[in-house]
Amino acid sequence: EIVMTQSPATLSASPGERATLSCRASQSVSDNLAWYQQKPGQAPRLLIYGASTRATGIPARFSGSGSGTEFTLTISSLQSEDFAVYFCQQYNHWPPLTFGGGTKVEIK
Amino acid sequence: QVQLVESGGGVVQPGGSLRLSCAASGFNFRYYGLHWVRQAPGKGLEWVAFISYDERSKYYTDSMKGRLTVSRDNSKNTMYLQMDSLKADDTALYFCARRGEIFGLLNYWGQGIPVTVSS
Repeated sequence: EIVMTQSPATLSASPGERATLSCRASQSVSDNLAWYQQKPGQAPRLLIYGASTRATGIPARFSGSGSGTEFTLTISSLQSEDFAVYFCQQYNHWPPLTFGGGTKVEIK
Repeated sequence: QVQLVESGGGVVQPGGSLRLSCAASGFNFRYYGLHWVRQAPGKGLEWVAFISYDERSKYYTDSMKGRLTVSRDNSKNTMYLQMDSLKADDTALYFCARRGEIFGLLNYWGQGIPVTVSS
């Protein structure tokens, strides 16, 4: 099983600031890495797939990078609606699909 | 548009059983594999099970293996998850999800159904 590790667990930032979230895989997942956003009481929403491709309707302030075992999600300028929990997920080798533990982006 | 609606959750005693349903609409159900994913209160996401479009492939998380059966009825556009010998650790919100064009991606999600295992 591929273990996904996210850091930090919590990121405190102000609106307008840049946020950088990290995800590490226990072995290479190539670029088969997705990012999801989840707000309280809602289902997760796909943001990024293929490590760097934005899903339909996702604003350009969200960007993803990395390959192999190290990945980054960057939010260039935080908007009020971006304060949420973000999960990474590998789909290179499954079952099982595996998720990181999540990073909560909270208002500073 | 793609819609997934879970039902069948609730409160069950340890050792009990539940059958969850996922009713789908807005797409050609018989062509897509589907997943179950769960989220314990205040915790992260855990993949639970997968069933292929034709039921020939079924996969389960090791943490629940032997206690789960996933199935589908393509005539009813519905997927099922039979959960047996439930434990307190199985308490979670259970989501069904569908891929887009890439296997393993979860593009579409239901709103989830809560399952509470408690005496």
